[in-house]
Parts: sequence; structure tokens; C-alpha cells
Amino acid sequence: QVQLVQSGAEVKKPGSSVKVSCKASGGTFSSYAISWVRQAPGQGLEWMGRIIPILGIANYAQKFQGRVTITADKSTSTAYMELSSLRSEDTAVYYCARAVGGVEWIVATETYYYYYYMDVWGKGTTVTVSS
Amino acid sequence: SYELTQPPSVSVSPGQTARITCSGDALPKQYAYWYQQKPGQAPVLVIYKDSERPSGIPERFSGSSSGTTVTLTISGVQAEDEADYYCQSADSSGLVFGGGTKLTVL
Repeated sequence: QVQLVQSGAEVKKPGSSVKVSCKASGGTFSSYAISWVRQAPGQGLEWMGRIIPILGIANYAQKFQGRVTITADKSTSTAYMELSSLRSEDTAVYYCARAVGGVEWIVATETYYYYYYMDVWGKGTTVTVSS
Repeated sequence: SYELTQPPSVSVSPGQTARITCSGDALPKQYAYWYQQKPGQAPVLVIYKDSERPSGIPERFSGSSSGTTVTLTISGVQAEDEADYYCQSADSSGLVFGGGTKLTVL
């Protein structure tokens, strides 16, 4: 059973960067995508972006374009999320999650359906941005 | 981008049926997924592809879809089901979460 182990809590100054790691154990790392989701205190879930480690291709939510970089190291089964130009609003718990995705043909509607969901989550990393 | 809309809160008594809805214009063309999140814990997938239940999720959790609305149904609600529930959908460019619904078991 795959587990995702995230790095420890961070306290950062406004304007700095933070890099959070997510190490997979007990399963095949490269076969899946890894998504990053954050949750500000008392708020809902917010998707930041994802990477397919076997391809090294990442894409990002528009809100975070230019400020977030997601990478993966297949040799260590570890994914990383780096967020720059931190501000107080970035104070949140950051989760990595293993994602299952693909396309399937739906006979009833004669259309393709895209599917993508997160079935295994890390425990989260708290990032606090404060001067 | 598109949005998913959930009611902020739903309340039920133990043993009753809870229904949590999620609405979005893209839902007729996309699958929906549901996550349960208890305080201080990471989310847990409870329904995928509208109505499929992952292994280990109790049978009282079910999902359905009709037009622009998907519904998470919890039959015979138990105290341990009190949590926040989030719907999610995705297309090839990314994914979006609903705002979340707090389920209170009275």
C-alpha cells in the first residue's frame, strides 16, 4: 500500500520561497500523477498543480502560474512543490496526493470521459508565512 | 475555468439519510468525485466516477448524477460521519473542488 510522507512544517518570511517534499513508499511512483492541494485555515481545498513523474510534465492552476514549480525525482520517488514570493495568504496546509487519471470511452453517450481523482494523500505540511 | 457549488452545511440525525449536492455546468460531461475530511486530517476519497466506492468505504456511502447536479448520499448516518465533504471534477487542463459542505450529525 503506497504511502506519501511529506516534509515538516515551515515558517517563512514574506517574499521568500518554500519547497515541500513528498516521498512515496510501498508502491510504484512513476506510474501515477502527483497533485498538490492546499487548505488555508478554516477554508476549503484548493488545487495547485500536478506532475506525471514518468514524463516530468507538470501543469498548474492558473492562479498559481508563475509562482509554483512542481518537480519529481524518480530515483528517490519524491515529488516537490516550490512556492515563491510568499505572502501571508499562502499560510496553509499543503497536501500532496497520488492521482489516478485517464480517458475512457462511454458507450451510452458515445463520448470520451476524462477522469482524474486523488486516492492516496499525504498528511499535509503546514506552511506559515509571517514577518 | 468552471465552478462547483455545494451547500455550506447539512444536518441530520443519526440513522437518517444525508444528501449533499454539488452543482456545476460541466458535470454532465465530467465525472465527479467526493472526499471526506475530518478535523486535522487529510481528505479521504469516498466516491469516484460519480458512483463508484473505493475499497474500505462503507456501503452507506453512495453517489449519483443527474444533469448538472451530483449527489453524495449517506444512508443510516453515524456520528463518525460528521465531517466536511468536498466534491471535485476535472478536465484535461486541471481540476476544481467545490467549496465544501459541513455535515453535522445532531
